Amino acid sequence: DAGVIQSPRHEVTEMGQEVTLRCKPISGHNSLFWYRQTMMRGLELLIYFNNNVPIDDSGMPEDRFSAKMPNASFSTLKIQPSEPRDSAVYFCASSRGGSRTFGSGTRLTVV
Amino acid sequence: GENVEQHPSTLSVQEGDSAVIKCTYSDSASNYFPWYKQELGKRPQLIIDIRSNVGEKKDQRIAVTLNKTAKHFSLHITETQPEDSAVYFCAASITGNQFYFGTGTSLTVIP
Repeated sequence: DAGVIQSPRHEVTEMGQEVTLRCKPISGHNSLFWYRQTMMRGLELLIYFNNNVPIDDSGMPEDRFSAKMPNASFSTLKIQPSEPRDSAVYFCASSRGGSRTFGSGTRLTVV
Repeated sequence: GENVEQHPSTLSVQEGDSAVIKCTYSDSASNYFPWYKQELGKRPQLIIDIRSNVGEKKDQRIAVTLNKTAKHFSLHITETQPEDSAVYFCAASITGNQFYFGTGTSLTVIP
């Protein structure tokens, strides 16, 4: 099992640009989570899906953020337009009940 | 919602000594308590977890204790080694979907 796969590992973009982060969960896991990690705020849950359906998006900071899960093996987190304060490490995680398995994260820098 | 507090925020111990990290939670309905270890620049990884029907769980040098009455749980690492240096996060969960993470403890093991 390759684990949770995220891409890209690093992303540097200019303010105002659209950013798309990608995630492939572990096969058989029916829940997928997007987290943001910063020094100031720690690990924040942005949104999670059960069986491809968004269940709780209350952690999504603004309308600039959107997430989709078109099928059980793929999810995207999009930021449009990006701002410098969006700079963080974004983790995707999946589970089949219980504990999460995290991906390696995408380090986003918005300049 | 659930509120998880974690202490201390930083911890330094001599190699071979024990380290203890404590978390408290607010919602008595929480029934699942995982601990994650995050090395610098890497993903959080589950190291041990405990459910509310158990008071203690051990895995080699790592143990977790749970006091449901007092609503706190602790991570114990014995015979610490330099490779134990990392940030440790506790979490509490009611449904298994929504995890409430603590703010993390940065552990440094001094050789």
